Amino acid sequence: DSGVTQTPKHLITATGQRVTLRCSPRSGDLSVYWYQQSLDQGLQFLIQYYNGEERAKGNILERFSAQQFPDLHSELNLSSLELGDSALYFCASSVVPRPGPELFFGEGSRLTVL
Amino acid sequence: AQKVTQAQTEISVVEKEDVTLDCVYETRDTTYYLFWYKQPPSGELVFLIRRNSFDEQNEISGRYSWNFQKSTSSFNFTITASQVVDSAVYFCALSEAQVQGAQKLVFGQGTRLTINP
Repeated sequence: DSGVTQTPKHLITATGQRVTLRCSPRSGDLSVYWYQQSLDQGLQFLIQYYNGEERAKGNILERFSAQQFPDLHSELNLSSLELGDSALYFCASSVVPRPGPELFFGEGSRLTVL
Repeated sequence: AQKVTQAQTEISVVEKEDVTLDCVYETRDTTYYLFWYKQPPSGELVFLIRRNSFDEQNEISGRYSWNFQKSTSSFNFTITASQVVDSAVYFCALSEAQVQGAQKLVFGQGTRLTINP
């Protein structure tokens, strides 16, 4: 158990809909990261937050947004969903955003868009 | 640009055999970090090791060992006396030293390792 909690574990929805994925980092970790794992793109970095502020952005679509709240939990919002958004979405956390910390990943939220 | 290549898509061996998973990386930075993660069938990503670019010492942890060679830009992972429980997808990843604490892990495509009894 990494200590990172993600909900929901599974989610099935239809195209055009909007979903919110939730992540609670490990106790004491201030930095949160979101990754997407799909069959065609592999594991891709989406976005990083540190203590409520965005620190780095990757290949995150404009239809996606994220935030980190004062209690340090984070949410990833996916809107106008398309079939290609079906993927496993991981949240990870680390103590500080210095380069090179090991990231501890949650179990992921599997999104299926029908 | 950063890139990680895991040329072996799938490997299948019989239990107790030794197996090496290859990882080749590309980066322009002199300071960077390399990682290996394991993704068992249950789906979670499990951290195995982190190595910074200034530390080329090989590391051994039980049946696992890692060989880091800057000259060939490789960070290979060997499992000795493999066990069925080692069956998983293994990912190699690279992170460059970013400004303002930004951290982006670039993952390879993964190697699916199957250990047959």
